[in-house]
Amino acid sequence: GNSVTQMEGPVTLSEEAFLTINCTYTATGYPSLFWYVQYPGEGLQLLLKATKADDKGSNKGFEATYRKETTSFHLEKGSVQVSDSAVYFCALSAYYGNNRLAFGKGNQVVVIP
Amino acid sequence: EPEVTQTPSHQVTQMGQEVILRCVPISNHLYFYWYRQILGQKVEFLVSFYNNEISEKSEIFDDQFSVERPDGSNFTLKIRSTKLEDSAMYFCASSGVGGQYEQFFGPGTRLTVL
Repeated sequence: GNSVTQMEGPVTLSEEAFLTINCTYTATGYPSLFWYVQYPGEGLQLLLKATKADDKGSNKGFEATYRKETTSFHLEKGSVQVSDSAVYFCALSAYYGNNRLAFGKGNQVVVIP
Repeated sequence: EPEVTQTPSHQVTQMGQEVILRCVPISNHLYFYWYRQILGQKVEFLVSFYNNEISEKSEIFDDQFSVERPDGSNFTLKIRSTKLEDSAMYFCASSGVGGQYEQFFGPGTRLTVL
């Protein structure tokens, strides 16, 4: 079935550092890919998405490119801020529509001033 | 900005008891979902609901679970006889149609079964 794997463990980094969170997926067909973010006490919010191969999703300085050849959708940000501290989830759906999401485990990101 | 709300934020119950988790989706959305996250594990899909019936469910969603839209605003998840392994964070989500497929999530209900 469809699944998502995120790198293990929390990520701790200093303000203005470069952030990368790895995400790889297993899916049949042409899935859509997403990054969700969860701030403390809040629900998961869609950060960005890509619905076909080579698409780049971007939002709030974050970017991720849908790489079919490596089945990856790594999240990057060039210069993080303390306010980026949150849990980040990679997810996929079998197609872009009203259907279930399969999530990775999530990565806690802590940005230190 | 419209948001999905969930109540209660934390529910503690005894094993074998029934619980009902409540959600108020975004008002013009037509698809509703429940997910759960057991501590330290992935967020897992439970069920989706459209047009007053279940449109898809996972293998986790067995006979002890049920969903209902009792009125025009609420969407509920009932667990008939809770088990210790039902302890988790339960997330409700909703989405629209006609290209408005983004799923908006509520803040979750933490269920603790003792």
